[in-house]
Formats: sequence, structure tokens, C-alpha cells
Amino acid sequence: SQQGEEDPQALSIQEGENATMNCSYKTSINNLQWYRQNSGRGLVHLILIRSNEREKHSGRLRVTLDTSKKSSSLLITASRAADTASYFCATEGNAGKSTFGDGTTLTVKP
Amino acid sequence: DTAVSQTPKYLVTQMGNDKSIKCEQNLGHDTMYWYKQDSKKFLKIMFSYNNKELIINETVPNRFSPKSPDKAHLNLHINSLELGDSAVYFCASSQDPGRNEQFFGPGTRLTVL
Repeated sequence: SQQGEEDPQALSIQEGENATMNCSYKTSINNLQWYRQNSGRGLVHLILIRSNEREKHSGRLRVTLDTSKKSSSLLITASRAADTASYFCATEGNAGKSTFGDGTTLTVKP
Repeated sequence: DTAVSQTPKYLVTQMGNDKSIKCEQNLGHDTMYWYKQDSKKFLKIMFSYNNKELIINETVPNRFSPKSPDKAHLNLHINSLELGDSAVYFCASSQDPGRNEQFFGPGTRLTVL
């Protein structure tokens, strides 16, 4: 089964609200990354958090990593309609292989 | 100045045909990947090359054969196409295998009729 599992599968919020997505994984990792995919486009890297880090910020994005629970969360604050996209976590373990989660589809209503 | 480019963007073909998808990156990266994304958006790695050498080869039918003529190119050839091969195929590159962010191409939507 997939290394990364994300929840919720779909999230619909109003502009201005915060959006939180979660990612759980099964085996130990070197790092975890979050990507965004707009409909019909390739994935765009958002943020990388290493296994020895607990929290990272980038603009309106905040990522946390709890290696004891094997989980990560992505928080998007003050969401905008342009944030509407699918968000994927990807875990990198040994052998340099990244395994992607199933994704969360976020809809931000204006 | 596209970082990772793929051709073609769309590919519609009959079952049993052989087709190729090309990928090029101008980022100077050492590692390139091929991913398959199915209709449920499930993204799965197929192959990875580092410095023209195959380093990841997932359980992919041997009808799929990647070729890396140089570090900047990783092409995917598919023989005897089947209906189940219909998907979006993404090429990506990174500086090192797995330790850095990956840059994705725009994808090639393959439809097998």
C-alpha cells in the first residue's frame, strides 16, 4: 500500500479560512515534502522538512512533522481561491525513492 | 526557459501500438524520474536515473523501457500499449536522488483506445 496516506481526501472551505491537511506514513523517512498540483498541470514543490525538524514555515504555509507518530500536517493560512488544487505529501526513505500520498483536493470558495 | 519539458502533451493511440514520450531538463540535475498518475490522481514512481544509470525500477511491465542518452534527457518507450496504460505520465528531475525537491514536467496524457 502507499507509504503516504492523506486526509481528508477532499476539503472545501471559504476564502480566508485556514486549511489543514494531514499525511501519515509507515516506515522511517529521511525527509518529507509537500507538493501542489493544479488541475491538468505537473506538481510544484512547496516545502521540504527533514526528519530532524519539527516545524517549517514558508509564507502562508506551515508544515509540522511528528516522527514518533509518523505524521505530518500542512496548514495553509488565510486561504485564497488560487489555493484551489490537489496537495500531495511525499516521503523519502532509504534508496532515494520518494513515495507520494493519495493527495487532498482543496477547494477554496471565493 | 522551461525547466522540465515533455513531448508530446497529449498522445492518443490504438491498443498494440508502440509509442515514446520524451523528457528534457535544463536545470543541470543529475537525477530524472518517470511517474504514472492514474485517473484517481494516484502518483506512482516508475523509474529513476542518476547520471544516466538506472537506480529505481519499480514493478513495471517490461513493455516500458526508459532510455537516458545523457543526463538532461530521459525518454520512455512503451511497447504493445494496453488500455490500462492510459494515464498521465510525468517526468521529473532533482539535484540528487530523493534528497532534494523534484521539478516536474507538465505531463503527457496518454489515451489508449
